[in-house]
Amino acid sequence: DAKTTQPNSMESNEEEPVHLPCNHSTISGTDYIHWYRQLPSQGPEYVIHGLTSNVNNRMASLAIAEDRKSSTLILHRATLRDAAVYYCILRAIQGAQKLVFGQGTRLTINP
Amino acid sequence: NAGVTQTPKFQVLKTGQSMTLQCAQDMNHEYMSWYRQDPGMGLRLIHYSVGAGITDQGEVPNGYNVSRSTTEDFPLRLLSAAPSQTSVYFCASRRQGEHGYTFGSGTRLTVV
Repeated sequence: DAKTTQPNSMESNEEEPVHLPCNHSTISGTDYIHWYRQLPSQGPEYVIHGLTSNVNNRMASLAIAEDRKSSTLILHRATLRDAAVYYCILRAIQGAQKLVFGQGTRLTINP
Repeated sequence: NAGVTQTPKFQVLKTGQSMTLQCAQDMNHEYMSWYRQDPGMGLRLIHYSVGAGITDQGEVPNGYNVSRSTTEDFPLRLLSAAPSQTSVYFCASRRQGEHGYTFGSGTRLTVV
């Protein structure tokens, strides 16, 4: 499985944008980039995914580098409810039922 | 939709006891999975299923059995509980053709 690298922790202020980086230098052409987050005492929650192009949804934006070796999850205006562990995960297009969770980035939001 | 429902939420077992962790989803999702999460770590896949009657092993299957007799249910059985199985267990499901998994809220299991 291709590996992802994320900072252990990040801190931001409420109502400011947050950029969560992820390096995946060994990504293959058939790997999708997925982001999940896990709020305290809850199960993971799907946030967004992408393959090559930048993606937006109601929760966040995903910016993917042109060489696909890195990506950035963008929370446009962080709220206290966005405090969570964010996981960047690669999943192959075909047949892969496994999500390989690393340590993720623990995001703290200051009021 | 209730989503993915896991029961019980908390359980304490003695070493050697057996039990079944229940997982049910009402979204008609084909794919279902079981993960465990140990303190300070990411989730690890135990078993998964791509449809009724079809199951396969994940990364850490030893000590666990699963079956998938219906689309809705995917129980996880601990045959003889060990302290090393103390963990939080999450069930997840996904619709074929979609990307995002829906996770349950977890079962916190302690084996003493």
